[in-house]
Amino acid sequence: QKEVEQDPGPLSVPEGAIVSLNCTYSNSAFQYFMWYRQYSRKGPELLMYTYSSGNKEDGRFTAQVDKSSKYISLFIRDSQPSDSATYLCAMSEASGSRLTFGEGTQLTVNP
Amino acid sequence: DAGVTQSPTHLIKTRGQHVTLRCSPISGHKSVSWYQQVLGQGPQFIFQYYEKEERGRGNFPDRFSARQFPNYSSELNVNALLLGDSALYLCASSGRATTSAFFGQGTRLTVV
Repeated sequence: QKEVEQDPGPLSVPEGAIVSLNCTYSNSAFQYFMWYRQYSRKGPELLMYTYSSGNKEDGRFTAQVDKSSKYISLFIRDSQPSDSATYLCAMSEASGSRLTFGEGTQLTVNP
Repeated sequence: DAGVTQSPTHLIKTRGQHVTLRCSPISGHKSVSWYQQVLGQGPQFIFQYYEKEERGRGNFPDRFSARQFPNYSSELNVNALLLGDSALYLCASSGRATTSAFFGQGTRLTVV
């Protein structure tokens, strides 16, 4: 079993839709949770960073962490075609330590 | 400010050859990590270096090695290349004040 599970999609939504992306994990030692966006053939770009359980909002993006359920989510409001990319969840046990990634979810937002 | 820079951007090698990939971290960042991303999968951790010392190693064979220089730049070396080593190799840097890793654009290695 993988430490981090993420539905690879693909996920296709119309412009303006609310998008929900999710990951589950098995390692209870994970304390830091991140979401990265990766455009085709580019390096991952950090979108959101959360420590322990709770919510964090940044513009159209909201990250949620539920450590009791070992479940994290990323919500994108008012999705735009420019949001079309692969979204990767990542986690680590300590600050600055190795990241364990999910498989990535490929998202397409149609105009 | 320059982000994480990697060179070369693309590389084609033959099975059995050796390859060296290079990474320059964000100015002020002392930690560098290497990841391998096979097409359609998430990045897999290979190595982490901090202050020129190895801080972690992923589940990769001994053909993979790395080092960090006094200016905090880093090299990833892969010997005896296999077709399965074809992937995007990503370098990430992080600093003491940050808790997140910032990635470069990667080096796309193709082994033929």
